[in-house]
Amino acid sequence: EVVLTQSPGTLSLSPGERATLSCRASQSVGSSYLAWYRQRPGQAPRLLIYAASSRAPGIPDRFSGSGSGTDFTLTISRLEPEDFAVYYCQQYGRSHTFGQGTRLEIK
Amino acid sequence: EVQLLESGGGLVQPRGSLRLSCEASGFGFNSYTMSWVRQAPGKGLEWVSAITGTSGSTYYADSVKGRFTISRDNSKNTLYLQMSSLRVEDTAVYYCAKDMLSSGWPGELDHWGQGTLVTVSS
Repeated sequence: EVVLTQSPGTLSLSPGERATLSCRASQSVGSSYLAWYRQRPGQAPRLLIYAASSRAPGIPDRFSGSGSGTDFTLTISRLEPEDFAVYYCQQYGRSHTFGQGTRLEIK
Repeated sequence: EVQLLESGGGLVQPRGSLRLSCEASGFGFNSYTMSWVRQAPGKGLEWVSAITGTSGSTYYADSVKGRFTISRDNSKNTLYLQMSSLRVEDTAVYYCAKDMLSSGWPGELDHWGQGTLVTVSS
């Protein structure tokens, strides 16, 4: 099973700052079989990024994804209040697994 | 508008059974792979199972293989998850989710239901 390790576990930042979230796979998941989701309290997850770097429909351009193989990054260029939530990466190159999540909290 | 409405959750005893349903609308249901994802209280997401759109190929997480069965009725636009031999650790909110692009190998999930809570307890 491919294990996804997200870091940091918690990230404390202020609105307007830049956030960088990491997702590392225990083995290669291919060049593009990775997605990122945001989950707000009490809500279902929402797809942000698919194929490692493509924004899902309706997702603002402050969200960007990069990486391949085993190392992937989600960057939020300027944090808005609604971005403070939990973020998950998901791989679907070798079966299907989610990372444990990164909590983005207001500093 | 895509809508996914789960039902069938509730309280069940260990070793019991339960069937979840997910009624879909607003898209060509039989053209998309569908998945179940669960989230234990206060925990992260766990992919559970998926079924392709037309061929009906199925995929399972090791944690549920042999105990859960995913199926779909394309004539009713409905996805199912039959759960048996339930364990306390199966307690979670179960989400139904739609693949964004594919009717084949399960991939990214672009629409999710609001979830149904399954509690396994004596």
